[in-house]
Amino acid sequence: KAGVTQTPRYLIKTRGQQVTLSCSPISGHRSVSWYQQTPGQGLQFLFEYFSETQRNKGNFPGRFSGRQFSNSRSEMNVSTLELGDSALYLCASSLITDTQYFGPGTRLTVL
Amino acid sequence: AQSVTQPDIHITVSEGASLELRCNYSYGATPYLFWYVQSPGQGLQLLLKYFSGDTLVQGIKGFEAEFKRSQSSFNLRKPSVHWSDAAEYFCAVATTSGTYKYIFGTGTRLKVLA
Repeated sequence: KAGVTQTPRYLIKTRGQQVTLSCSPISGHRSVSWYQQTPGQGLQFLFEYFSETQRNKGNFPGRFSGRQFSNSRSEMNVSTLELGDSALYLCASSLITDTQYFGPGTRLTVL
Repeated sequence: AQSVTQPDIHITVSEGASLELRCNYSYGATPYLFWYVQSPGQGLQLLLKYFSGDTLVQGIKGFEAEFKRSQSSFNLRKPSVHWSDAAEYFCAVATTSGTYKYIFGTGTRLKVLA
């Protein structure tokens, strides 16, 4: 069974732009979570989607948003990018509410 | 509030030596417990998990972890470390009541000396 895939793997943007990242969960998994990982803050939870509904949300500004489609694929969007948004963005999927399996991440660099 | 503490930011061991990475959690009920490993620039790979039952759990790559309820700990161990084990290790707790949430520790970076 294929693992979690994330596209693109690397992205370079400039301040003020917006970006959309994509995540395809393991087949059959209905929950998708997003995390931001930086050297200073570690792994921080962004939000979780389950059956197209946002079920949990972390403590991030409204510039960070996400959605989930009927096939469980998920996208996250960051608008008005700031330098501090440079990070590794990780997506994780789980069947319902148990073990999370992570994708390889998208490395976002904001210049 | 729930939290996970990994007290060691960096650990260095010699190849072939034993390893123990510490993890303590704060949660009112019995949580689900996990250890993940991350190589540089990569995603997190699940090493092992504890939900219930036997408190000593075996994982991949020769790792094991022991859940000690009285100490709120879930320490990761390996009897003999290989150079390829050099990576960052994360302990995580998933809450099992109310809103399901995953909480990660800050990670322990392992360096292995040849």
